[in-house]
Amino acid sequence: AQTVTQSQPEMSVQEAETVTLSCTYDTSESDYYLFWYKQPPSRQMILVIRQEAYKQQNATENRFSVNFQKAAKSFSLKISDSQLGDAAMYFCACRSNYKLTFGKGTLLTVNP
Amino acid sequence: EPEVTQTPSHQVTQMGQEVILRCVPISNHLYFYWYRQILGQKVEFLVSFYNNEISEKSEIFDDQFSVERPDGSNFTLKIRSTKLEDSAMYFCASSPRGQAFFGGVGNIQYFGAGTRLSVL
Repeated sequence: AQTVTQSQPEMSVQEAETVTLSCTYDTSESDYYLFWYKQPPSRQMILVIRQEAYKQQNATENRFSVNFQKAAKSFSLKISDSQLGDAAMYFCACRSNYKLTFGKGTLLTVNP
Repeated sequence: EPEVTQTPSHQVTQMGQEVILRCVPISNHLYFYWYRQILGQKVEFLVSFYNNEISEKSEIFDDQFSVERPDGSNFTLKIRSTKLEDSAMYFCASSPRGQAFFGGVGNIQYFGAGTRLSVL
């Protein structure tokens, strides 16, 4: 069984500042992928960034980057130069085989 | 940009009634999924579907649930006799490929905007 844990129910950041959202996971699979999804108030799930477990290099997508520590089973998301539009619920997810296992989410507030 | 489409956006039903939630996955995708999110809780996997059969399902996906791809474009989730606890947001997703070890972008799941199901 897979588990994903997000220990921060809520986080806040000032506009233009940097924030890091934490995620740890546990899986018995050797092949798996990790994702961060964003869920704005519209409740649509939007992919932010993904990381292949077999890659050592941390994934980066514009202002979003991850710190993937495989041995520690840690997968944190860093948002640089935070914008008001980044305010949303952020879900960490682990995928092996067919299904995604999600964490409980972190609600990010961006203060102007 | 292609997207997953779900209808209706909000469905209200009486307990015990049957509901069908509809999804149009991205056209060249081969793998389809349903997830649900009870208000304030995490998103939970229900079922995955490939080549006209279920490839994986969770404990939540019991006999009252069924999925179908009735034609080349739609993917439906049927709940036979709804219960109060079925009230949730239901998300459909699709991906070009299913197995995680295929690599590349093929395993990314793209989500629809969801159908909010309210069981009264």
